[in-house]
Amino acid sequence: QVQLQESGPGLVKPSETLSLTCIVSGGSIGSNYWSWIRQPAGKGLEWIGRDSVSGSTNYNPSLKSRVTMSLDTSKNQFSLELRSVTAADTAVYYCARESGGYYNGRNDYWGQGTLVTVSS
Amino acid sequence: QSVLTQPPSASGTPGQGVTISCSGSSSNVGSNTVNWYQQLPGTAPKLLIYSNNQRPSGVPDRFSASKSGTSASLAISGLQSEDEADYYCAAWDDSGHGVFGGGTKLTVL
Repeated sequence: QVQLQESGPGLVKPSETLSLTCIVSGGSIGSNYWSWIRQPAGKGLEWIGRDSVSGSTNYNPSLKSRVTMSLDTSKNQFSLELRSVTAADTAVYYCARESGGYYNGRNDYWGQGTLVTVSS
Repeated sequence: QSVLTQPPSASGTPGQGVTISCSGSSSNVGSNTVNWYQQLPGTAPKLLIYSNNQRPSGVPDRFSASKSGTSASLAISGLQSEDEADYYCAAWDDSGHGVFGGGTKLTVL
């Protein structure tokens, strides 16, 4: 059974960088795409991006200038960096595994989510 | 504003059926597959339907979905109280970016 667990600071100051890590157990990150998705309180889901060991990465165009995703196969984990954050970046951040093809993938395993608040 | 359009709310009584729609465009729903996620209160989303109409193992056959052109729909039959949740459709655009609907809050009356 694949399990994902997000970790990182719950509070980030405006203009600083949000950094989160997702530790994967029960499966290797050497296959599949690995995604980040966020959800502001009381709002819907927003796709942030996906990454794979093949080097193929896709980012949400609205966040692309501020986002970097990376994978660490030695630790079986992947990471998200979101730079120059504002209060609008306050949300629950989920990591998820994506299975299936490039245009028909689905997020079949999710982490429990971690709340990140941007505030001074 | 979400790329895919869903009704903000839906409701039904136990035992009834309900349908949730998802409208997109030729560059997302019209050309790629649609997935549906269920999010129970306070929990992470769960994959409910993938590839337009496929149920993952463990999902009851009360849940079904279809796609036609640039629209998709999720149907739930025999509503149960535990179906009360938020439902999201999702797809890929032709550039490989994920897009979600705004979500539909299902209330079981």
